[in-house]
Amino acid sequence: EVQLLESGGDLQQPGGSLRLSCAASGFTFSNYAMNWVRQAPGKGLEWVSGISASDGRAYYADSVKGRFTISRDISRNTLYLHMNSLRAEDTAVYYCAKENDFSQWGQGTPVTVSS
Amino acid sequence: DIQMTQSPSSLSASVGDRVTITCRASQGITHYLAWFQQKPGKAPKSLIYAASHLQTGVPSRFSGSGSGTDFTLTISSLQPQDFATYYCQQYDAYPFTFGPGTRLDVK
Repeated sequence: EVQLLESGGDLQQPGGSLRLSCAASGFTFSNYAMNWVRQAPGKGLEWVSGISASDGRAYYADSVKGRFTISRDISRNTLYLHMNSLRAEDTAVYYCAKENDFSQWGQGTPVTVSS
Repeated sequence: DIQMTQSPSSLSASVGDRVTITCRASQGITHYLAWFQQKPGKAPKSLIYAASHLQTGVPSRFSGSGSGTDFTLTISSLQPQDFATYYCQQYDAYPFTFGPGTRLDVK
């Protein structure tokens, strides 16, 4: 059974940093693209970042480009999102999702950016 | 960037009704279109990928169709557990984009 378990969400001040993790199990992690999606309170879904399976190339939404970095540790079957220069508008629940068709989702981890 | 629109933005229906939600892409995305269901406080759930392929375990009352720029999600006979918000998403090109959602509630 595919499982994705996010962690690392927290309350952080504007300008601060956080690292989110997504522990994957039940599939061969290295064979699949992975993505991060967020949902601000009361709002819709926003794709944040993705990483390709074949070459680990990273892709970002304009709203986070230059501030967030996606990475993966294949030995640990874990996806990461390094978040720097946090802003109030980054407040959201962050989900990791498997494949580019988002076939499986984690339960999400909440990030709040506030002073 | 590819913009996704959905209609209607909200919909009231009754158990047993047939419901159709439309999704339109600002440019052609061939069949790289997915549909998701989300209930309050829960993670989204994948229903359909590649425009018309049902994810494993999704009831057959859900179906998807379309290609290019125009797509539909149909629920053939609404069940009580189907009242939720539905999103489409294109994965033809980065940045991936979601539609704004369609809220389906009880009439």
